[in-house]
Amino acid sequence: DQQVKQNSPSLSVQEGRISILNCDYTNSMFDYFLWYKKYPAEGPTFLISISSIKDKNEDGRFTVFLNKSAKHLSLHIVPSQPGDSAVYFCAAFSGAGSYQLTFGKGTKLSVIP
Amino acid sequence: DTGVSQDPRHKITKRGQNVTFRCDPISEHNRLYWYRQTLGQGPEFLTYFQNEAQLEKSRLLSDRFSAERPKGSFSTLEIQRTEQGDSAMYLCASSYGGYSPLHFGNGTRLTVT
Repeated sequence: DQQVKQNSPSLSVQEGRISILNCDYTNSMFDYFLWYKKYPAEGPTFLISISSIKDKNEDGRFTVFLNKSAKHLSLHIVPSQPGDSAVYFCAAFSGAGSYQLTFGKGTKLSVIP
Repeated sequence: DTGVSQDPRHKITKRGQNVTFRCDPISEHNRLYWYRQTLGQGPEFLTYFQNEAQLEKSRLLSDRFSAERPKGSFSTLEIQRTEQGDSAMYLCASSYGGYSPLHFGNGTRLTVT
């Protein structure tokens, strides 16, 4: 069963516009969430994280929003740049004494110049 | 910070052979993770270590897979009697522990013919 779901396999956005990547989760024990970016032939790179006690975290052009009641989070990238083109993964720590990090399937973002 | 190093980058083996991969984590990190990723999927958790202790293993990890982290430094992942279904990218990551972000290496791509 997929506990972290990224239902959009791909997303195309014009350069300078906002990119919104979505993620849903089913496990109510998840209490810390991270976003990773992955370029081809490289390992995933950490982008930004959010604790379940917060609803927003911002770092430069990247903002993550968490709606705990809906079990939904989103990553906003403003403004989008061609170098942002990559696969983005949503991930969650299980909590309850486990430090296993569970990933979604990813969303491929293409930023069109 | 020299990053997480994995060796080899690529491995081609025949079905039934044993293979071993090595991971050198970031030196200050005490937690080390192994993941597997196949095309179109997110990284799938295999196991993790806190120093030299293996704390969690995926239920999906067959008996043919074994990981070690002697002296809490580098780690090895061995796959015995490889099968074609083992073909994947094997990723290693390390972290400070707790909910600190995982830092990934660039992976070892295994092809079983």
